[in-house]
Amino acid sequence: DTAVSQTPKYLVTQMGNDKSIKCEQNLGHDTMYWYKQDSKKFLKIMFSYNNKELIINETVPNRFSPKSPDKAHLNLHINSLELGDSAVYFCASSPTGNGANVLTFGAGSRLTVL
Amino acid sequence: AQSVTQLGSHVSVSEGALVLLRCNYSSSVPPYLFWYVQYPNQGLQLLLKYTTGATLVKGINGFEAEFKKSETSFHLTKPSAHMSDAAEYFCAVIPSGGYNKLIFGAGTRLAVHP
Repeated sequence: DTAVSQTPKYLVTQMGNDKSIKCEQNLGHDTMYWYKQDSKKFLKIMFSYNNKELIINETVPNRFSPKSPDKAHLNLHINSLELGDSAVYFCASSPTGNGANVLTFGAGSRLTVL
Repeated sequence: AQSVTQLGSHVSVSEGALVLLRCNYSSSVPPYLFWYVQYPNQGLQLLLKYTTGATLVKGINGFEAEFKKSETSFHLTKPSAHMSDAAEYFCAVIPSGGYNKLIFGAGTRLAVHP
C-alpha cells in the first residue's frame, strides 16, 4: 500500500481551466502539506493542515484552495489556471509527537498548463 | 528569514569516489536539519536528519552528515559513490518553532560516472 498517494500523476490542461489534485495518506498522520516544485527543482511549501485545520498558508494566489475533508485527505483545487502554475505538486504528511518533523512525501503530480 | 544554501547545483564524481554535498543554513538558533533524495520522476525520500544529540548522523544507503554549529553547516558525505546514487539531493531545515515548515535548499544534482 502506498503511504501517501496523489492523483492524478500527470495533468495537462488549458489556461483558464479549473483542476484538482487529490492526496490521501494511510499512515494515520495528523498533519498534511502541499509543496510546489518549479521547473528549476526548487521546492516551496504552500499549505499545511493539522487535523483539518489550516496552520500554514504561504503567499499563494487565492486561486489555490486546499480542502481537507478529514485528516487522511488534503486536496488542492486550482482555479483559472495560468502558465506559471505548471509545476510538480507534492503532497506530504507527518505525525505528531515522536517523529513529528519527518515528512513522508507522495510521488508528485506533474501539472502542465498550455 | 531562514535560508538554506547548497553549494554547487551539479556535482559529478567517479564510481567509488568520495561524495561531498555542501549545505549551509542561516540561523542564530540551530534548526532541525535534513537531507532528502529525489530519484528521477519520484517523490522525496528522507536520507537522514539531525535534531539533537550526536552531531554526526548516519542515514540510509551509506550516507552521513555532520552538524557543525560554528560553521552553520550540514554537509552530506558518502565514502564511495555507486551508480545508483545519481539523483537530486536536497538539504532542508525546520526553523525552531517552525510548525514543521520544511524549508529546502535549491538542490544538488549528483552524477556518478563509471
